[in-house]
Amino acid sequence: GAVVSQHPSRVICKSGTSVKIECRSLDFQATTMFWYRQFPKQSLMLMATSNEGSKATYEQGVEKDKFLINHASLTLSTLTVTSAHPEDSSFYICSAIPRAYYNEQFFGPGTRLTVL
Amino acid sequence: AQSVTQLGSHVSVSEGALVLLRCNYSSSVPPYLFWYVQYPNQGLQLLLKYTSAATLVKGINGFEAEFKKSETSFHLTKPSAHMSDAAEYFCAVITNAGGTSYGKLTFGQGTILTVHP
Repeated sequence: GAVVSQHPSRVICKSGTSVKIECRSLDFQATTMFWYRQFPKQSLMLMATSNEGSKATYEQGVEKDKFLINHASLTLSTLTVTSAHPEDSSFYICSAIPRAYYNEQFFGPGTRLTVL
Repeated sequence: AQSVTQLGSHVSVSEGALVLLRCNYSSSVPPYLFWYVQYPNQGLQLLLKYTSAATLVKGINGFEAEFKKSETSFHLTKPSAHMSDAAEYFCAVITNAGGTSYGKLTFGQGTILTVHP
């Protein structure tokens, strides 16, 4: 149980285009989902907290107009990287907290974004 | 604010040898502590967690960790390394203070474990 999926697993796009990444909790409802960013050989950095039915809460230094987060249902959160640039190339990982597991996050497999 | 420090960005051991990955935390309130493993181009898998119950926590794949409040440490160990243990390991903390800290993990820098035949 507690499986989280991400789609796509890899995406390559041209500079200036927008890319949407989906995060789904497959077998549970998640009131809270998180989006992380991981640069090569670095740790995970929290970008934002996504709560179903409300606006996402962004960490300091993360541009909310560039990284649009929509948590439309209890099983789906999306991250849209708008007007992507090469410096946005990174590994994006989401996680979700099931209702009964307030202190444990379950992670998706990640999405590798490459902006040319 | 909480923080996590992992001592040693790279650890190399021989197959069959003891694995010791170090983690120290800083937290003003009792922490919840986690160890995750990440294989290349994959997400994170939970190895084990400490949530204020037993101080010695056993996890998957033969790993265990001991919470030592006096040393603010949560080191990860495994008696005998396998080749399949080669991966990157992250220590993380949640401060169970509720409010805006609810569920937010702070990660250490990560330790890459290499296992030699």
